[in-house]
Amino acid sequence: DGGITQSPKYLFRKEGQNVTLSCEQNLNHDAMYWYRQDPGQGLRLIYYSQIVNDFQKGDIAEGYSVSREKKESFPLTVTSAQKNPTAFYLCASRQGAKQYFGPGTRLTVT
Amino acid sequence: SQELEQSPQSLIVQEGKNLTINCTSSKTLYGLYWYKQKYGEGLIFLMMLQKGGEEKSHEKITAKLDEKKQQSSLHITASQPSHAGIYLCGADSIAGGTSYGKLTFGQGTILTVHP
Repeated sequence: DGGITQSPKYLFRKEGQNVTLSCEQNLNHDAMYWYRQDPGQGLRLIYYSQIVNDFQKGDIAEGYSVSREKKESFPLTVTSAQKNPTAFYLCASRQGAKQYFGPGTRLTVT
Repeated sequence: SQELEQSPQSLIVQEGKNLTINCTSSKTLYGLYWYKQKYGEGLIFLMMLQKGGEEKSHEKITAKLDEKKQQSSLHITASQPSHAGIYLCGADSIAGGTSYGKLTFGQGTILTVHP
Protein backbone atom coordinates (compact mmCIF):
# COMPACT_ATOMS: atom_id res chain seq x y z
CA ASP A 1 0.00 0.00 0.00
CA GLY A 2 1.22 3.48 -0.79
CA GLY A 3 0.80 6.24 1.71
CA ILE A 4 2.06 8.07 4.75
CA THR A 5 2.61 6.33 8.06
CA GLN A 6 3.03 7.99 11.42
CA SER A 7 4.02 6.18 14.55
CA PRO A 8 3.07 5.76 17.22
CA LYS A 9 -0.61 6.74 17.20
CA TYR A 10 -0.48 7.75 20.89
CA LEU A 11 2.58 8.98 22.74
CA PHE A 12 2.97 9.92 26.37
CA ARG A 13 5.94 11.77 27.83
CA LYS A 14 6.95 13.50 31.00
CA GLU A 15 7.60 17.22 30.94
CA GLY A 16 11.24 18.04 30.23
CA GLN A 17 11.83 15.08 27.92
CA ASN A 18 12.45 15.36 24.20
CA VAL A 19 10.36 13.09 21.99
CA THR A 20 10.61 12.21 18.29
CA LEU A 21 7.59 11.57 16.09
CA SER A 22 8.05 9.40 13.03
CA CYS A 23 6.75 10.14 9.53
CA GLU A 24 7.43 7.88 6.56
CA GLN A 25 6.06 8.04 3.01
CA ASN A 26 6.44 5.68 0.07
CA LEU A 27 4.76 7.99 -2.45
CA ASN A 28 8.11 9.27 -3.76
CA HIS A 29 7.05 12.82 -2.95
CA ASP A 30 9.69 15.51 -2.68
CA ALA A 31 7.87 17.85 -0.27
CA MET A 32 6.90 16.95 3.28
CA TYR A 33 5.23 18.95 6.07
CA TRP A 34 4.52 18.85 9.78
CA TYR A 35 1.36 20.44 11.20
CA ARG A 36 0.01 20.75 14.70
CA GLN A 37 -3.71 20.65 15.53
CA ASP A 38 -5.23 21.88 18.78
CA PRO A 39 -8.91 21.55 19.80
CA GLY A 40 -11.12 24.10 18.08
CA GLN A 41 -8.31 25.23 15.83
CA GLY A 42 -7.22 24.39 12.35
CA LEU A 43 -3.82 23.02 11.50
CA ARG A 44 -0.72 25.16 11.95
CA LEU A 45 2.50 24.59 10.05
CA ILE A 46 5.57 23.67 12.11
CA TYR A 47 8.25 22.79 9.53
CA TYR A 48 8.39 21.85 5.88
CA SER A 49 10.93 20.35 3.52
CA GLN A 50 10.97 20.72 -0.25
CA ILE A 51 13.91 18.39 -0.82
CA VAL A 52 16.30 16.06 0.98
CA ASN A 53 18.76 17.78 3.33
CA ASP A 54 16.78 21.02 3.27
CA PHE A 55 13.96 22.26 5.49
CA GLN A 56 12.34 25.53 6.49
CA LYS A 57 10.55 26.85 9.56
CA GLY A 58 6.80 27.22 9.43
CA ASP A 59 4.61 29.48 11.51
CA ILE A 60 5.21 27.81 14.89
CA ALA A 61 8.70 26.25 14.74
CA GLU A 62 9.88 27.29 18.20
CA GLY A 63 10.57 24.27 20.41
CA TYR A 64 10.64 21.83 17.47
CA SER A 65 13.37 20.40 15.25
CA VAL A 66 13.37 18.22 12.13
CA SER A 67 15.73 16.39 9.82
CA ARG A 68 15.40 15.22 6.22
CA GLU A 69 18.22 12.76 5.55
CA LYS A 70 16.10 10.53 3.30
CA LYS A 71 13.36 11.38 0.83
CA GLU A 72 10.87 9.07 2.49
CA SER A 73 11.44 10.16 6.10
CA PHE A 74 10.80 13.44 7.93
CA PRO A 75 10.96 12.95 11.73
CA LEU A 76 9.87 15.70 14.11
CA THR A 77 11.46 16.19 17.53
CA VAL A 78 9.44 17.99 20.17
CA THR A 79 11.97 19.44 22.58
CA SER A 80 11.60 20.43 26.20
CA ALA A 81 11.64 24.06 25.01
CA GLN A 82 8.16 23.67 23.51
CA LYS A 83 5.87 25.25 26.11
CA ASN A 84 2.62 23.50 25.17
CA PRO A 85 3.57 20.24 23.43
CA THR A 86 0.33 18.34 24.05
CA ALA A 87 -1.44 18.26 20.68
CA PHE A 88 -2.31 16.18 17.64
CA TYR A 89 0.54 16.13 15.11
CA LEU A 90 -0.03 15.53 11.41
CA CYS A 91 2.54 14.83 8.75
CA ALA A 92 1.85 15.43 5.06
CA SER A 93 3.55 15.06 1.72
CA ARG A 94 2.83 16.76 -1.56
CA GLN A 95 3.30 16.21 -5.25
CA GLY A 96 1.81 18.78 -7.58
CA ALA A 97 -1.28 20.43 -6.16
CA LYS A 98 -2.51 17.66 -3.88
CA GLN A 99 -1.34 17.29 -0.28
CA TYR A 100 -1.72 13.90 1.42
CA PHE A 101 -1.92 13.49 5.17
CA GLY A 102 -0.86 10.74 7.53
CA PRO A 103 -3.11 9.36 10.31
CA GLY A 104 -1.53 11.58 12.99
CA THR A 105 0.14 11.12 16.37
CA ARG A 106 -1.50 12.32 19.56
CA LEU A 107 1.18 13.49 21.99
CA THR A 108 0.37 13.99 25.65
CA VAL A 109 2.96 15.57 27.93
CA THR A 110 2.33 15.60 31.67
CA SER B 1 -0.57 36.51 6.68
CA GLN B 2 -3.66 34.92 5.24
CA GLU B 3 -6.53 34.02 7.56
CA LEU B 4 -9.39 31.67 6.82
CA GLU B 5 -12.67 31.91 8.67
CA GLN B 6 -15.10 29.00 8.56
CA SER B 7 -18.79 29.18 9.39
CA PRO B 8 -20.59 27.74 11.12
CA GLN B 9 -18.22 26.34 13.74
CA SER B 10 -20.57 23.43 14.28
CA LEU B 11 -23.65 22.10 12.56
CA ILE B 12 -26.22 19.51 13.59
CA VAL B 13 -28.62 18.27 10.92
CA GLN B 14 -31.13 15.52 10.45
CA GLU B 15 -30.29 12.83 7.94
CA GLY B 16 -31.50 13.76 4.49
CA LYS B 17 -31.13 17.51 4.96
CA ASN B 18 -28.94 19.72 2.82
CA LEU B 19 -26.25 21.88 4.39
CA THR B 20 -23.60 24.45 3.48
CA ILE B 21 -20.25 25.27 5.08
CA ASN B 22 -18.49 28.52 4.21
CA CYS B 23 -14.84 29.47 4.11
CA THR B 24 -13.86 33.14 3.82
CA SER B 25 -10.39 34.47 3.21
CA SER B 26 -8.85 37.82 4.08
CA LYS B 27 -6.84 37.67 0.83
CA THR B 28 -7.23 36.33 -2.69
CA LEU B 29 -7.21 32.55 -2.78
CA TYR B 30 -4.76 30.92 -5.19
CA GLY B 31 -5.61 27.36 -4.25
CA LEU B 32 -8.45 26.34 -1.95
CA TYR B 33 -8.64 22.84 -0.51
CA TRP B 34 -11.43 21.04 1.30
CA TYR B 35 -10.60 18.18 3.64
CA LYS B 36 -12.68 15.93 5.88
CA GLN B 37 -11.38 14.60 9.20
CA LYS B 38 -12.76 12.01 11.55
CA TYR B 39 -11.90 12.86 15.15
CA GLY B 40 -8.37 11.71 16.01
CA GLU B 41 -7.54 10.75 12.43
CA GLY B 42 -5.77 12.23 9.43
CA LEU B 43 -7.27 14.48 6.78
CA ILE B 44 -9.01 13.08 3.72
CA PHE B 45 -8.72 15.18 0.57
CA LEU B 46 -12.10 16.13 -0.90
CA MET B 47 -11.55 18.78 -3.54
CA MET B 48 -9.29 21.56 -4.73
CA LEU B 49 -10.41 24.77 -6.44
CA GLN B 50 -8.20 27.29 -8.19
CA LYS B 51 -10.20 29.37 -10.64
CA GLY B 52 -12.75 32.04 -9.84
CA GLY B 53 -16.25 30.66 -10.35
CA GLU B 54 -14.99 27.07 -10.32
CA GLU B 55 -17.30 24.35 -9.08
CA LYS B 56 -16.51 20.69 -8.44
CA SER B 57 -18.67 17.82 -7.30
CA HIS B 58 -17.99 14.37 -5.89
CA GLU B 59 -20.92 12.17 -5.02
CA LYS B 60 -23.20 14.38 -2.90
CA ILE B 61 -20.61 17.05 -2.10
CA THR B 62 -20.19 20.21 -4.17
CA ALA B 63 -17.56 22.88 -3.62
CA LYS B 64 -17.52 26.33 -5.20
CA LEU B 65 -15.05 29.20 -5.33
CA ASP B 66 -16.55 32.64 -5.88
CA GLU B 67 -15.54 34.89 -8.77
CA LYS B 68 -13.47 37.16 -6.54
CA LYS B 69 -11.64 34.12 -5.16
CA GLN B 70 -12.12 35.10 -1.53
CA GLN B 71 -14.89 32.77 -0.49
CA SER B 72 -15.61 29.09 -0.94
CA SER B 73 -18.60 27.01 0.02
CA LEU B 74 -19.05 23.28 0.54
CA HIS B 75 -22.55 21.97 0.01
CA ILE B 76 -23.76 18.50 0.99
CA THR B 77 -27.00 17.27 -0.51
CA ALA B 78 -29.20 14.76 1.33
CA SER B 79 -26.77 14.32 4.22
CA GLN B 80 -26.04 10.89 5.67
CA PRO B 81 -24.45 9.82 8.98
CA SER B 82 -21.32 8.94 6.98
CA HIS B 83 -20.88 12.63 6.23
CA ALA B 84 -20.32 13.41 9.91
CA GLY B 85 -16.89 14.71 10.84
CA ILE B 86 -14.80 17.85 10.80
CA TYR B 87 -14.56 19.78 7.54
CA LEU B 88 -11.52 21.96 7.05
CA CYS B 89 -10.71 24.43 4.34
CA GLY B 90 -7.08 25.13 3.55
CA ALA B 91 -5.41 27.65 1.27
CA ASP B 92 -2.00 27.88 -0.34
CA SER B 93 0.20 30.44 1.42
CA ILE B 94 1.86 32.52 -1.25
CA ALA B 95 5.19 34.20 -0.48
CA GLY B 96 7.05 36.06 -3.18
CA GLY B 97 4.88 34.45 -5.82
CA THR B 98 5.70 30.90 -4.69
CA SER B 99 3.51 28.52 -2.71
CA TYR B 100 5.99 25.90 -1.41
CA GLY B 101 2.89 23.86 -0.67
CA LYS B 102 2.35 25.48 2.72
CA LEU B 103 -1.31 25.48 3.67
CA THR B 104 -3.17 27.82 6.00
CA PHE B 105 -6.30 26.26 7.50
CA GLY B 106 -9.61 27.45 8.82
CA GLN B 107 -10.59 26.37 12.32
CA GLY B 108 -12.87 23.61 11.04
CA THR B 109 -16.61 22.93 11.07
CA ILE B 110 -17.90 20.02 13.13
CA LEU B 111 -20.77 18.30 11.36
CA THR B 112 -23.15 15.96 13.18
CA VAL B 113 -25.82 14.08 11.22
CA HIS B 114 -28.60 12.48 13.21
CA PRO B 115 -30.19 9.36 11.68
